[in-house]
Amino acid sequence: SQTIHQWPATLVQPVGSPLSLECTVEGTSNPNLYWYRQAAGRGLQLLFYSVGIGQISSEVPQNLSASRPQDRQFILSSKKLLLSDSGFYLCAWSLTAFSGNTIYFGEGSWLTVV
Amino acid sequence: GNSVTQMEGPVTLSEEAFLTINCTYTATGYPSLFWYVQYPGEGLQLLLKATKADDKGSNKGFEATYRKETTSFHLEKGSVQVSDSAVYFCALSYGNNRLAFGKGNQVVVIP
Repeated sequence: SQTIHQWPATLVQPVGSPLSLECTVEGTSNPNLYWYRQAAGRGLQLLFYSVGIGQISSEVPQNLSASRPQDRQFILSSKKLLLSDSGFYLCAWSLTAFSGNTIYFGEGSWLTVV
Repeated sequence: GNSVTQMEGPVTLSEEAFLTINCTYTATGYPSLFWYVQYPGEGLQLLLKATKADDKGSNKGFEATYRKETTSFHLEKGSVQVSDSAVYFCALSYGNNRLAFGKGNQVVVIP
């Protein structure tokens, strides 16, 4: 069966510090991978998605970047965090192609920028 | 564009009451529709889905029917339990399985 893990689960970072959130998927090959953010009172927003190694699409301009160095690894980064980067970050995966495929989410990472 | 609208505000109801959460969508083409549930401090779990018009998704006593004519996917449960307290998100999928979410509804079930 497939599993998705992301870490760390919780972190508190000062403004201007770097960020690295990591996500891995097991039990499948060539998944689509996604990073979503859930900010307080703002619902869920897609930040990045990837359909293959090294292929990253950004949905909204922001202070963050994403990378996919391996087939089942997806990393969310920032060189200098802003207060507005605080939120709950969710990694997700799906099988490719069919739009009705279920999208599966990780446990989430709580980021507080202070 | 693609967007999902959920009814405003939290929903508070007594145990064994009937639950309805409204969801309408705007989309190009024919998206698949989903309901996800988020329990406190956790990620999102798929509750149910429907991939074409008139499909009914169901799981754990929850149901939703894909209504193309009204562009709706309302969530219903006949008798809620305290354990159903959570946030419920309606979503549609578009290119490359990206999801557009509604803002979510907090459901609080009182014993």
